[in-house]
Amino acid sequence: DGGITQSPKYLFRKEGQNVTLSCEQNLNHDAMYWYRQDPGQGLRLIYYSQIVNDFQKGDIAEGYSVSREKKESFPLTVTSAQKNPTAFYLCASSPSDSRSGNTIYFGEGSWLTVV
Amino acid sequence: QKEVEQNSGPLSVPEGAIASLNCTYSDRGSQSFFWYRQYSGKSPELIMFIYSNGDKEDGRFTAQLNKASQYVSLLIRDSQPSDSATYLCAVKGSSYKLIFGSGTRLLVRP
Repeated sequence: DGGITQSPKYLFRKEGQNVTLSCEQNLNHDAMYWYRQDPGQGLRLIYYSQIVNDFQKGDIAEGYSVSREKKESFPLTVTSAQKNPTAFYLCASSPSDSRSGNTIYFGEGSWLTVV
Repeated sequence: QKEVEQNSGPLSVPEGAIASLNCTYSDRGSQSFFWYRQYSGKSPELIMFIYSNGDKEDGRFTAQLNKASQYVSLLIRDSQPSDSATYLCAVKGSSYKLIFGSGTRLLVRP
């Protein structure tokens, strides 16, 4: 089935640890995104990528890093520099990041908790 | 001023009524507008998108866009208890990023 797969669904991080959230899509979409959602809040953009080997910071990129070595994959690393990482992380993709209104689709999300 | 603003609610309507959800945005260069539904603990799912002024209908849902007033709305006719969720407005601006509002929580009373 086509879609966006995020893993793991639940992850616990110890203080000072880096963790990586996986995002894979088989929709042949050019653009991929990472959003963070805190309880009762909207989605905030962390990073986005319009094409392989290129990505841009979103509104809250500090303490996060990404790579886009393959079209299908856009992993997010939450580094120890991110002081409050407990949140719901959503990966998304769209066919192309153009002005034609291409729809963004979401994966099922990953819950990250600091212990 | 937030880039995309929504009333957080909750908006409470009786079953069978019309629910009206509103959203305003600040970027006049915005091109596309989306409504997502999000159940608690789940990821957002697309309801519909609109990019031309006027109305767009899909089943019980109607999206309305007024670019001059920088306003987009979602009407849900014949509201059902299963429609109870948080509705997120999202706007794709001139920077190509999709910016979300904080969402409006809708409660449909049986």
